[in-house]
This record gives sequence, C-alpha cells and structure tokens, in this order.
Amino acid sequence: ETVLTQSPATLSLSPGERATLSCGASQSVSSSSLAWYQQKPGLAPRLVIYDASNRATGIPDRFSGSGSGTDFTLTISRLEPEDFAVYYCQQYATSPLTFGGGTKVEIK
Amino acid sequence: EVQLVESGGGLIQPGGSLRLSCAVSGFTVSSNYMSWVRQAPGKGLEWVSVIYSGGSTYYADSVKGRFTISRDNSKNTLYLQMNSLRAEDTAVYFCARNGYSSGWYRGWGQGTLVTVSS
Repeated sequence: ETVLTQSPATLSLSPGERATLSCGASQSVSSSSLAWYQQKPGLAPRLVIYDASNRATGIPDRFSGSGSGTDFTLTISRLEPEDFAVYYCQQYATSPLTFGGGTKVEIK
Repeated sequence: EVQLVESGGGLIQPGGSLRLSCAVSGFTVSSNYMSWVRQAPGKGLEWVSVIYSGGSTYYADSVKGRFTISRDNSKNTLYLQMNSLRAEDTAVYFCARNGYSSGWYRGWGQGTLVTVSS
C-alpha cells in the first residue's frame, strides 16, 4: 500500500499569503497519478488538481500542482478567504487507492 | 445539472446490514467508473469500493467479503450493500464519479452518515 504523508498538518496564514502544501509518497507514484481535494466542514471534498498538475474545472489559477515520483506540492499563490479548508492528496497509481491525512489551512 | 444524492444511512447495531443508494442525474452511471469513499468522524478519507463501466468491482481489504457495490442501470443508481457491520465502519459514506476512467474523483455526493453502535 502506498502511504501518503502530508505536511504540515496545519498551516496558519493570512489572506493574500502563499500556501505551500506537501505530499510525500512511500513509493513512487507512477504517471503522476496524484490528485488534490479541498474539503470544508460538513461538505463533500472538491477536486482541485488531478494528474499532479491539471486544474479541475472551475478551479482558479491561483491553485497549482507540481511534483513527480514521491514528492508532490499544492501551491495556492495568494490565499482568498474561501481557500481556508482542509486539503487532501490522493494517489491512484496503485491499489488500494490511498489518501493523505490532510493539511488544514487556517486563518492566522 | 450533475447530481449525486446518497441515502440509506442511519443507526445500525453491530452485525447488522444496510444498503446505501446514490441516485444520479446528469450523466449515466453505467458509462462511468463509480466509487464509494468514506470518512470516519473527524478523520480523513478512505477508499471503499469501485465499479468500472464494464462491471468489474474492487474493494478495500477492510470491507472485502462484507460490502458489495452494484448499480441499477434502469434507475441510474449506485448501491453499496453493507453486511456484518462493525463499529469501525461508522463514517460518512460518499458516492463519487471517477474522472475519465481513472482513479480521481470529479464529482461527489453530499454523503450519508452510517453509525454502527449498540
């Protein structure tokens, strides 16, 4: 099983600041088969990035994904109030599909 | 408009059974990979099961032999039959539409809460 480790667990930032979220895999994730999701309290997750760097429909361009192999990054260039949420990475290269433990981006 | 609406959750005793439904509108269930993902209270996301457009099904080890994923093409609905339920199955269960026959999830339902407790 591919274990995904997200860091930091919590990121305290102010609106307008840059957020950098990391996702490390216990083994190489082939074909950049990695996605990022945003989840707000009481709601379903929302796809942000797929295939490591492709923005989902409707996702603003301040969100970007990068990385390959075992190290992946989600960057939010300038935080807007609606961006404060929990973010999960997910790999779909190998079964079972696995998620990271999440990074909470909170208002400082 | 694309919608996924889950139902069927509730309080059930350990060892009991429950069937979750996910009614879909805006696309055809049988033409897509469809999944169930769960989230225990205050915890992260866990993949549960997937059904491919061709009908093949796969399960997480934690539910294999106890849960069954299926679909009704005439009703455009996805199901999850859950038997021999355990306390550790307590979670919000989301149905999700996979993206382009891949493993990422392009759309999610609102979730339905299953609580396994005596």
